[in-house]
Amino acid sequence: DARVTQTPRHKVTEMGQEVTMRCQPILGHNTVFWYRQTMMQGLELLAYFRNRAPLDDSGMPKDRFSAEMPDATLATLKIQPSEPRDSAVYFCASGRAGTRGGHEQFFGPGTRLTVL
Amino acid sequence: SQKIEQNSEALNIQEGKTATLTCNYTNYSPAYLQWYRQDPGRGPVFLLLIRENEKEKRKERLKVTFDTTLKQSLFHITASQPADSATYLCALATTTSGTYKYIFGTGTRLKVLA
Repeated sequence: DARVTQTPRHKVTEMGQEVTMRCQPILGHNTVFWYRQTMMQGLELLAYFRNRAPLDDSGMPKDRFSAEMPDATLATLKIQPSEPRDSAVYFCASGRAGTRGGHEQFFGPGTRLTVL
Repeated sequence: SQKIEQNSEALNIQEGKTATLTCNYTNYSPAYLQWYRQDPGRGPVFLLLIRENEKEKRKERLKVTFDTTLKQSLFHITASQPADSATYLCALATTTSGTYKYIFGTGTRLKVLA
């Protein structure tokens, strides 16, 4: 049963600390997305990768957030330094983009981040 | 400004009835639109995708319509069941120079009463 995995599932940290979230996409998927979900803003796209190359990171605060795909089985989202306003659930999703571009996204269980 | 609107109020319906959820958008020209289901504490789960040149898509008890003139998508669940209770999200995909932008609505919470 293929699924997206995310670690950690929960993270509580203090303001100013570095936070790293990890995602293992479904094997064979060539697109990886990072989203942030809050009650106020809903689900917001932070960044996404196609074949490990960043395609769009316009939703991500560049001064403190960074996203990478060191290899096809690992995507990371890093926040440094973290701030209380970063508290949210962070979702990773993966998919297989076809020639027509449209495809479903398979979401992981999320990382619930609390910055004190 | 660009916006996606879903019914912000929760929708309560009686079991067996058809639930209809609305997704309206402004200032977008979506290449396609998707609907997802999200249960508390879990990630969204894909339900249906409909492209800009399609009017309607069906899957079992689910039906999606897409009206690019009205800038609206309707999501129907027929013969609704208490197990259909969840938050439903619509998502638009727009493309610029081959790169897609994905925008989600804030979701509508559906409760099906037994």
